[in-house]
Amino acid sequence: ETGVTQTPRHLVMGMTNKKSLKCEQHLGHNAMYWYKQSAKKPLELMFVYSLEERVENNSVPSRFSPECPNSSHLFLHLHTLQPEDSALYLCASSQDRGHRVNQPQHFGDGTRLSIL
Amino acid sequence: QKEVEQNSGPLSVPEGAIASLNCTYSDRGSQSFFWYRQYSGKSPELIMSIYSNGDKEDGRFTAQLNKASQYVSLLIRDSQPSDSATYLCAVNDMRFGAGTRLTVKP
Repeated sequence: ETGVTQTPRHLVMGMTNKKSLKCEQHLGHNAMYWYKQSAKKPLELMFVYSLEERVENNSVPSRFSPECPNSSHLFLHLHTLQPEDSALYLCASSQDRGHRVNQPQHFGDGTRLSIL
Repeated sequence: QKEVEQNSGPLSVPEGAIASLNCTYSDRGSQSFFWYRQYSGKSPELIMSIYSNGDKEDGRFTAQLNKASQYVSLLIRDSQPSDSATYLCAVNDMRFGAGTRLTVKP
């Protein structure tokens, strides 16, 4: 039990489908993150939410749309994805104390996404 | 220029040996540094965090930080087969290296 739960664990979708990834954290943290992990590439930061406000968007294509309704939940809405979007999508949370020194993150188990 | 660089490996060491994992970073103003371990098919888990120059020890793990050289390392003493995993270096906890794959052979 990591304290960060992601659903679904696996998702196969066509390029014209619309789906959503869900993340829930039970750690009382106030910051949540979406990462993309592709084979042999570094973890790519996609979005950061702190206190439910988006504070970072790393030039992610608009076919990925995040939503953070409260500090415990984070969604990633997917629409018209491309085959190169197939990857492991990881959610993480941390306690943002507003200082320059960042706090470590706790990761969910990820959603393995395959685009047909 | 990559922000965080690691040797992708694979790094192979015999059981009981010291494994040395290295990481360099480009942002001189970085304040926080983390090592995560990721087993195949699993999510990253935090092993060590370090914020000040010098060494920080936790059990068999020692993190070393040299801000002047923009270098952080992780030493694993008495390596065990269960240490076989990919080790990710993170700077300011949002910029990750590609990871070094470590194999500890019995």
